[in-house]
Amino acid sequence: EVQLLESGGGLVQPGGSLRLSCAASGFTFSSYAMSWVRQAPGKGLEWVSAISGSAANTYYADSVKGRFTISRDNSKNTLYLQMNSLRADDTAVYYCAKGSAGVWGSYRYTDTDWGQGTLVTVSS
Amino acid sequence: DIQMTQSPSSLSASVGDRVTITCRASQTISDYLNWYQQKPGKAPKLLISAASSLLSGVPSRFSGSGSGTDFTLTISSLQLEDFATYYCQQSYSTPLTFGGGTKVEIK
Repeated sequence: EVQLLESGGGLVQPGGSLRLSCAASGFTFSSYAMSWVRQAPGKGLEWVSAISGSAANTYYADSVKGRFTISRDNSKNTLYLQMNSLRADDTAVYYCAKGSAGVWGSYRYTDTDWGQGTLVTVSS
Repeated sequence: DIQMTQSPSSLSASVGDRVTITCRASQTISDYLNWYQQKPGKAPKLLISAASSLLSGVPSRFSGSGSGTDFTLTISSLQLEDFATYYCQQSYSTPLTFGGGTKVEIK
């Protein structure tokens, strides 16, 4: 059974930093691309960032480019999201999602499994 | 980026009703369209991929159709556990983008 467990969320001041983690189990972690998708309170889903299974390729939404860094440690089956220069509009529940293939956005790609999410609140 | 537009944004329906949700892409995406269900306080769940392929374990009352720019998610007979928000997502080109969601509420 696929399990994804996010951690690292919390309250941070504008301009601050936070690192999210997503511990994965139940599948061969290095074989699958992973994504971070966020959901602001009462709003819809917004893709944030993705990384290929090998970690060779990373992708970012324009809204976070230059501020967020996605990475993974395949030896620890863990996905990360380093978030710097946080703003109020980064406030959201952040979900990690397992992809259907090793390359993000490849043929008929889907986000097949999701974690329960971790809440990030940016406020003074 | 491809924009995905869902309609309606919300609807009220009764148990047993037939419900149809529409998703429109800003350019043709063939059948590279996924549907997710999200219940309050929970993570999204993949229901349908490739516009019409039901994931294993998803009740057969759910169905998807469409190709090109216009897509539909249909629930043939709404059940209590179906009250949720539904999102479409295009997987035709990166960045993968979601529709704004359709909230299905109890009438």
